[in-house]
Amino acid sequence: QVHLMESGGGVVQPGRSLRLSCAASGFSFDSHGMHWVRQPPGRGLEWLALISYEGSKTSYADSVMGRFIISRDNFKNTLYLQMNSLETDDTATYYCARDPSWSTLAYYFDSWGQGTLVTVSS
Amino acid sequence: FVLTQPHSVSESPGKTVTLSCTGSSGNIASNYVQWYQQRPGSAPTLIIFEDNQRPSGVPDRISGSIDSSSNSASLIISGLRTEDEADYYCQSYDAAKQVVFGGGTKLTVL
Repeated sequence: QVHLMESGGGVVQPGRSLRLSCAASGFSFDSHGMHWVRQPPGRGLEWLALISYEGSKTSYADSVMGRFIISRDNFKNTLYLQMNSLETDDTATYYCARDPSWSTLAYYFDSWGQGTLVTVSS
Repeated sequence: FVLTQPHSVSESPGKTVTLSCTGSSGNIASNYVQWYQQRPGSAPTLIIFEDNQRPSGVPDRISGSIDSSSNSASLIISGLRTEDEADYYCQSYDAAKQVVFGGGTKLTVL
């Protein structure tokens, strides 16, 4: 049973940093690409970033390029999102999601965590 | 590359509803389209992948299709139930392999 659990959300002031974690279990974490997706309150889904199964390839949405960094630790079965220079528009629920393809990328999501809420406010 | 979905759709229980997802440019058939269902307070779940494939556990009254002539994808739900009331998002990716979501359609079953 695939299980993804995000943590690290909370209230943070504009301009500050926050790191989210996503603990994975129930599957071979080191064989799957992973993604971060967010959803502002009452709004739609926005893809943020992806990382390949071994971490060599990353890609970002224009809205977070240069501010957010995706990374992974395959020994700890954990995905990360380092968020810097946070803005009020970054307020959202942040989801980690698994790419279904083995050792490549299919660019969609077959399993999602329950999300962690990040609120950027002074 | 933008995917456009109607903001809301309403239909009665037992009926069939078609949710559309229109691509802004190029050929929507060039890259696979997925569909996700999101009930209030829950994370999204995958209900259609690779245009028309259903993950295990998704009933066959839910189906997906692509129409290249209108550059659009469709999610068809037949035999509507109150439990189908949710937000539905289409998703694909562009030539630069940037993932794109549609804005979502709120389906009301009443």
